[in-house]
Amino acid sequence: DQQVKQNSPSLSVQEGRISILNCDYTNSMFDYFLWYKKYPAEGPTFLISISSIKDKNEDGRFTVFLNKSAKHLSLHIVPSQPGDSAVYFCAAIRFSNTGKLIFGQGTTLQVKP
Amino acid sequence: NAGVTQTPKFQVLKTGQSMTLQCAQDMNHNSMYWYRQDPGMGLRLIYYSASEGTTDKGEVPNGYNVSRLNKREFSLRLESAAPSQTSVYFCASTQTGTAQPQHFGDGTRLSIL
Repeated sequence: DQQVKQNSPSLSVQEGRISILNCDYTNSMFDYFLWYKKYPAEGPTFLISISSIKDKNEDGRFTVFLNKSAKHLSLHIVPSQPGDSAVYFCAAIRFSNTGKLIFGQGTTLQVKP
Repeated sequence: NAGVTQTPKFQVLKTGQSMTLQCAQDMNHNSMYWYRQDPGMGLRLIYYSASEGTTDKGEVPNGYNVSRLNKREFSLRLESAAPSQTSVYFCASTQTGTAQPQHFGDGTRLSIL
């Protein structure tokens, strides 16, 4: 039972254009949603998060949108840069569940110069 | 700032051998986690420790044991390694009860022949 799903294994965009990474979830009890970025041979690093009571959070070039009725969130990167090429993981958390993160499968983003 | 430190970074084992993966954090976090990452499956929680002296099973605990040695250290043990345990293992920590994201180590790449 995959509670958090990233249905696109990979995405390729041109430098300067927008990258949109998508994530769907099934559990309406999640309190927070997070995006992590992972480079090869490194651990995941936190990128941006959004509370379940919000519908948008922005941090520089990164914006996360949450649509609770559709149980869907997306990460927008504008403009995309070659250094953004990495694997992006969507994750969800219930604070009452001892802080355990539930991860999606990941999407590999390639930004071409 | 060391953050979360994992040792070793790489290890090759033969089926049936035992091994302990070490993890230490210097952020005074109360909660620590062990994940494994396999292709196409994201990160899956093996065990976690919500506080010093407590440990609980995650999604995929079979074949593993853990020890929360003190607040800083959380080790993962494979008593009798199997080829299905070939994976990349990540340790993470956070302060539970806050919106603070989990911080990850750089992983241990484990191959079991």
